[in-house]
Amino acid sequence: EAQVTQNPRYLITVTGKKLTVTCSQNMNHEYMSWYRQDPGLGLRQIYYSMNVEVTDKGDVPEGYKVSRKEKRNFPLILESPSPNQTSLYFCASSPSIAGVVGGNEQFFGPGTRLTVL
Amino acid sequence: AQTVTQSQPEMSVQEAETVTLSCTYDTSESDYYLFWYKQPPSRQMILVIRQEAYKQQNATENRFSVNFQKAAKSFSLKISDSQLGDAAMYFCAYRSAKGSARQLTFGSGTQLTVLP
Repeated sequence: EAQVTQNPRYLITVTGKKLTVTCSQNMNHEYMSWYRQDPGLGLRQIYYSMNVEVTDKGDVPEGYKVSRKEKRNFPLILESPSPNQTSLYFCASSPSIAGVVGGNEQFFGPGTRLTVL
Repeated sequence: AQTVTQSQPEMSVQEAETVTLSCTYDTSESDYYLFWYKQPPSRQMILVIRQEAYKQQNATENRFSVNFQKAAKSFSLKISDSQLGDAAMYFCAYRSAKGSARQLTFGSGTQLTVLP
């Protein structure tokens, strides 16, 4: 089954304790990205990656890091989480070529609910 | 930068009736894509319908249709014969068609309640 998976689905942590949220897709997509969802703000892009070893900042990158060592994986790293990073996080992937099937849409993971105390 | 505005934080509709969710956007580009996503209580983001800006014909997917007004930069979603399973948060989203851009810009969402 074609899908984007995220782990963990729920996480409660404390300020300053480093954490990683994993994201993996099995559709051989070049493009992957991370969004955070906050009430009244919709989803905002944190980071994205056009392909292996190619990453760039989105609209709200402060406090986050990413890496893209393999095509299928795109982990989100919070080196020193703070309470304002409490949010719902989504990973998404897409083919990079618009003409292929699904090239004009993004496929979302199930979301990770993060609480930073 | 593009912006997407959903001015109705909450809406309700009676089961079997029709409801329209509004969305406006701001862009200087001429070629782009617009999407409506549904987010049920499970939090999964589900693509409902998409519209290519170069197409004049409004997109339709079963009970879901859009009214795309390019000059007015308006992209409303009409849900016909509303069902209880339609209750969800609905997000309007914009994506540039320029180059390899893939970023989605979302509106703030409209929470739809379906009344039995």
